[in-house]
Amino acid sequence: NAGVTQTPKFRVLKTGQSMTLLCAQDMNHEYMYWYRQDPGMGLRLIHYSVGEGTTAKGEVPDGYNVSRLKKQNFLLGLESAAPSQTSVYFCASREVGGNTEAFFGQGTRLTVV
Amino acid sequence: DAKTTQPPSMDCAEGRAANLPCNHSTISGNEYVYWYRQIHSQGPQYIIHGLKNNETNEMASLIITEDRKSSTLILPHATLRDTAVYYCIVRPYDLSGNTPLVFGKGTRLSVIA
Repeated sequence: NAGVTQTPKFRVLKTGQSMTLLCAQDMNHEYMYWYRQDPGMGLRLIHYSVGEGTTAKGEVPDGYNVSRLKKQNFLLGLESAAPSQTSVYFCASREVGGNTEAFFGQGTRLTVV
Repeated sequence: DAKTTQPPSMDCAEGRAANLPCNHSTISGNEYVYWYRQIHSQGPQYIIHGLKNNETNEMASLIITEDRKSSTLILPHATLRDTAVYYCIVRPYDLSGNTPLVFGKGTRLSVIA
């Protein structure tokens, strides 16, 4: 049981390039989330999904797109990377229910130069 | 904006109890208090949650004041591995459970040998 797996773990992009971050969970969780964390800050919610085929915006959605075509996968896309998107990205998943705990991946460290 | 206030940092001697305070003076009747921690830039890890009664599990105890405006997370015998950033989060209960977690800056706990 791998839990929540993020791919890749590290990436360096040039300004204007695009990329997709993959989050995969094997716990059959309904809810999935993408957060970003900047140095010395807490996590900020980018987008989330409450089920296959559904997505919603979080606190800081600009510059990102997401897709949840399969229940186990949640993709985060950067169409045209900017230096301001340099951050550590965390994915999380939760099962349905009022007080279920969230399980987090180990993070993707992205640098945009 | 986060609904909680935590001290930015605390120290604790190894083997002693670590008491981490959290102020949530605007908490509503249907909001729970959650605690997560983040060890050395790994993904956050769930610790405990509660509504109004004190809670205890294998990791920690949660003490919530009678007026629910503040709480304390207690690690009974802190070890060096407990050095982490601890996040206190207030989140409303809903049957579907799809309300995302909103993180503040947390408290950086340093356990000292």
